Amino acid sequence: TQLLEQSPQFLSIQEGENLTVYCNSSSVFSSLQWYRQEPGEGPVLLVTVVTGGEVKKLKRLTFQFGDARKDSSLHITAAQPGDTGLYLCAGDPQTGANNLFFGTGTRLTVIP
Amino acid sequence: DVKVTQSSRYLVKRTGEKVFLECVQDMDHENMFWYRQDPGLGLRLIYFSYDVKMKEKGDIPEGYSVSREKKERFSLILESASTNQTSMYLCASSKTGLPEAFFGQGTRLTVV
Repeated sequence: TQLLEQSPQFLSIQEGENLTVYCNSSSVFSSLQWYRQEPGEGPVLLVTVVTGGEVKKLKRLTFQFGDARKDSSLHITAAQPGDTGLYLCAGDPQTGANNLFFGTGTRLTVIP
Repeated sequence: DVKVTQSSRYLVKRTGEKVFLECVQDMDHENMFWYRQDPGLGLRLIYFSYDVKMKEKGDIPEGYSVSREKKERFSLILESASTNQTSMYLCASSKTGLPEAFFGQGTRLTVV
């Protein structure tokens, strides 16, 4: 099993603050996805990053894939209560298999 | 809108019962997955299937079996439910060659 470690595990911030969530591994991935999961629901895909060093922006969310394709970060600018949820990173290994390896998640709470 | 549908949102079963969790996707995806999600442990892969009648063990297959008789449907079976199988169960599907997974809304199973 290829381990993806996310940090921090929990994060509670005030509305309007910025934050960064990290996803690290010792393994190389073909691509990496970020998902957000709200309580009682399944994860929903936010973005896929494929190229080492790639940066993608989704409104106030900025995703970066590490140069070596072993790590990724998610930065949220001016967090809003609607950003509250569990953020999961998932890596697609270079094995040709069709399954993803998921991180343990970062639970974000944005306080109004 | 793409959809993965799990048959139940909440389920309460007794120890020793045989439990069926059903999942249907309408995206003509080849790959389907069953995960369980527990606090602090993230998503753990139970079984996956990359074709009709094909199945592969994931990281934690013990106590579970699966069935995929049709491309759109993937069933998870708990042969004899135990209290340590109380969890959130998530079904997902993906298209071969693409890393993104699409999740159902989850089934929260409680075994008493």
